[in-house]
Amino acid sequence: EAGVTQSPTHLIKTRGQQVTLRCSPISGHTSVYWYQQALGLGLQFLLWYDEGEERNRGNFPPRFSGRQFPNYSSELNVNALELEDSALYLCASSFAREGQETQYFGPGTRLLVL
Amino acid sequence: SQQGEEDPQALSIQEGENATMNCSYKTSINNLQWYRQNSGRGLVHLILIRSNEREKHSGRLRVTLDTSKKSSSLLITASRAADTASYFCATDALGADGLTFGKGTHLIIQP
Repeated sequence: EAGVTQSPTHLIKTRGQQVTLRCSPISGHTSVYWYQQALGLGLQFLLWYDEGEERNRGNFPPRFSGRQFPNYSSELNVNALELEDSALYLCASSFAREGQETQYFGPGTRLLVL
Repeated sequence: SQQGEEDPQALSIQEGENATMNCSYKTSINNLQWYRQNSGRGLVHLILIRSNEREKHSGRLRVTLDTSKKSSSLLITASRAADTASYFCATDALGADGLTFGKGTHLIIQP
């Protein structure tokens, strides 16, 4: 069974640009979570989508947004990129009925903002 | 803000030795999970321990949970070079959504 997949694997953008990251959950999983892992800050919870709706978001500005599609895949959009947005962005999926119990992570997208 | 705090920040041991990492957290939890991350890649789920459990085993891994002290430990026995990675504890806190991760312990196993 395929795991969580993310694309692209690496991305270089310049300050002020916009970026879209993509995530495909494990088949059957309805919940998708996004996390940011920036150097020195650890893993920070960004967004949680379930059944196509945003359920919760972490302490990030509104320029971080996303959506979940009917097939449960998800996009993370970051507008007006800033240098400190450089990080590894990880997507995870789980069954909704398990809540946050076990999340299965993708390999991540490494974003560098210059 | 970080919920879990791992200790030590980094640990280097010889292959074959046991490695122990600790995690402390601040609020009440549903469960606590340990993950491994190799070289800044995706996280691999290792083990989940629920708030009503005190100890759990999985292969060479042993996890303990002390809810009165709000702490957990991860023991890796008979370490191998392939165990070299960063290890994170993550808490599923009551009333919260999304896991809250600590900053991790970087474990180096010397051959």
